[in-house]
Amino acid sequence: GAGVSQSPSNKVTEKGKDVELRCDPISGHTALYWYRQSLGQGLEFLIYFQGNSAPDKSGLPSDRFSAERTGGSVSTLTIQRTQQEDSAVYLCASSLRLAGAYNEQFFGPGTRLTVL
Amino acid sequence: AQSVTQLGSHVSVSEGALVLLRCNYSSSVPPYLFWYVQYPNQGLQLLLKYTSAATLVKGINGFEAEFKKSETSFHLTKPSAHMSDAAEYFCAVSTLGGSEKLVFGKGTKLTVNP
Repeated sequence: GAGVSQSPSNKVTEKGKDVELRCDPISGHTALYWYRQSLGQGLEFLIYFQGNSAPDKSGLPSDRFSAERTGGSVSTLTIQRTQQEDSAVYLCASSLRLAGAYNEQFFGPGTRLTVL
Repeated sequence: AQSVTQLGSHVSVSEGALVLLRCNYSSSVPPYLFWYVQYPNQGLQLLLKYTSAATLVKGINGFEAEFKKSETSFHLTKPSAHMSDAAEYFCAVSTLGGSEKLVFGKGTKLTVNP
């Protein structure tokens, strides 16, 4: 079946511009995660969505970062007024989140963001 | 809070040699532990996971890891390296409940020499 997909695969933008990154989770997966992979910081959790619950935004590095998930499926990560330190690979993952057992996260291929 | 330390950002082995990638974790509650592999320009693929069942966990591609609570370790091993094992490997920790977010180590890049 189809895995997690992300678009675009690569994005080059100028400092100060806004960008939107998209994630399509595996069909039926109720949990969705965003992570960031950068040279300086490694792999970091950004935000988590589960069903209709309030998202866990504890990993967002600044108020320039926001994310939404519409209809419990597709998610968009938005970075406003991009800075050079935002350059990274942004990874999306999804999982089933069945109660009582740990649920594997399946990762997409990522979006490589370059801020000039 | 949880954390992961991977000893050695780069490891180089000869083809056919033992692969040992080290991972130590810190967690205030019983942890769930993972090893992921990342090939160049690809996403993360789960190699294996420890979720409180058997302490010796076998994964894909001949890899295995042993959970040692007394040493807070979860080292990854493979008896005989293959050229196709060259990749970056990430150890991660999580806990059941809440967001179940993954906390990753910095990664270890494995090079396999012919």
